[in-house]
Amino acid sequence: EEQLLESGGGLVQPGGSLRLSCAASGFTFKNYAMNWVRQAPGKGLEWVSVISFNVGRTHYAEAVKGRFTISRDNSKNTLYLQMNGLRGDDTGVYYCAKSWDTAMDDALDVWGQGTMVTVSS
Amino acid sequence: DIQLTQSPSTLSASVGDRVTITCRASQSITQWLAWYQQKPGKAPKLLIYKASGLESGVPSRFSGSGSGTEFTLTISSLQPDDYATYYCQQYNSLGLTFGGGTKVEI
Repeated sequence: EEQLLESGGGLVQPGGSLRLSCAASGFTFKNYAMNWVRQAPGKGLEWVSVISFNVGRTHYAEAVKGRFTISRDNSKNTLYLQMNGLRGDDTGVYYCAKSWDTAMDDALDVWGQGTMVTVSS
Repeated sequence: DIQLTQSPSTLSASVGDRVTITCRASQSITQWLAWYQQKPGKAPKLLIYKASGLESGVPSRFSGSGSGTEFTLTISSLQPDDYATYYCQQYNSLGLTFGGGTKVEI
């Protein structure tokens, strides 16, 4: 069974940093682009970032560009999101999600259960 | 970025009803549209890809149609398990975007 398991969320002060991880299992991780999607409390889904299957390319939403960095370790089947300069509007549940195929612009067919990030003083 | 507008934002329906949700794109996305179902406290679940492709394991009462800028998700006969929020998502270009969501309630 294809699974994604996020970790690393928590409470952080404005301006602080946090690193999220997403462990993949049940599929050949290195063959797929991977994404982060977030959801503020009571709000809709917002795509955050994507990384290509071969680690060569990344893309970010304007709201996080320059503050967040997506990366992956294909030898460990793990996706990461380094979040710096956190703000209150970064609060929400962060999901990692697998692209349906190798393309970076794709439907998202496997999702983790999410990890909560709260930015507050 | 491409904007997606869903309507209605909330929909009240009864078990057995035929339900239709619309998603309009700010520019043509050909057929690169997906639909997701999300229940409270849970991750989204892919229902439809490429506008009309039914994801494996999804009941056949769900169907998608459309191309260009206008798309629909139809539930042919609403079941109790279908009460949830539904989102469309475009993947025509990088900078994936989601619609605002449609909550289907009793």
